[in-house]
Amino acid sequence: SAVISQKPSRDICQRGTSLTIQCQVDSQVTMMFWYRQQPGQSLTLIATANQGSEATYESGFVIDKFPISRPNLTFSTLTVSNMSPEDSSIYLCSFYSPVGALNTEAFFGQGTRLTVV
Amino acid sequence: RKEVEQDPGPFNVPEGATVAFNCTYSNSASQSFFWYRQDCRKEPKLLMSVYSSGNEDGRFTAQLNRASQYISLLIRDSKLSDSATYLCVVNSGDTGFQKLVFGTGTRLLVSP
Repeated sequence: SAVISQKPSRDICQRGTSLTIQCQVDSQVTMMFWYRQQPGQSLTLIATANQGSEATYESGFVIDKFPISRPNLTFSTLTVSNMSPEDSSIYLCSFYSPVGALNTEAFFGQGTRLTVV
Repeated sequence: RKEVEQDPGPFNVPEGATVAFNCTYSNSASQSFFWYRQDCRKEPKLLMSVYSSGNEDGRFTAQLNRASQYISLLIRDSKLSDSATYLCVVNSGDTGFQKLVFGTGTRLLVSP
């Protein structure tokens, strides 16, 4: 199966600044997904990133706050803009790989642990 | 109501015990179901898919009840290494489109 690498693994940022998280997959994937996992909570899908088109955002997430790039089929970035302490979370990139005819397995990057001070 | 609900635990069990986790989902159109395992400060990884007929993988057994919209995971003969958070995951996407929805996870602590 493909390998997915995410960086940075962690960062501490000042409020009002922005952080760009990068994800690299070692094979081509059609869609990549960005999740947020706040302490004690489930993974929440932020957006779906397709190559060559604008990302699709889930309810509660907007492009101005979380701009996403998908320049090719192996790479994507998520930017957390104008950060506030509420943005402190773990951010994970992911892609889905088919398993048989019906199932899908999600593979995740190692996560970026963001602390905003 | 959350789309996928789990008891957050923690479940504290001794080695060798049998433990069961439950999960309910709200979207009756969901097509596929999974259990993922997430170790502390690590990314989630697929533990097993859940099939309508129920399926077993070693010490792990998963069951699906579509009528009740209920999924379970049974772990027999618990090992220390089973300590982790177990995430119930439902594919709520439409046909041809995948969208995985994650429960909050159930934390398991296996002690000597």
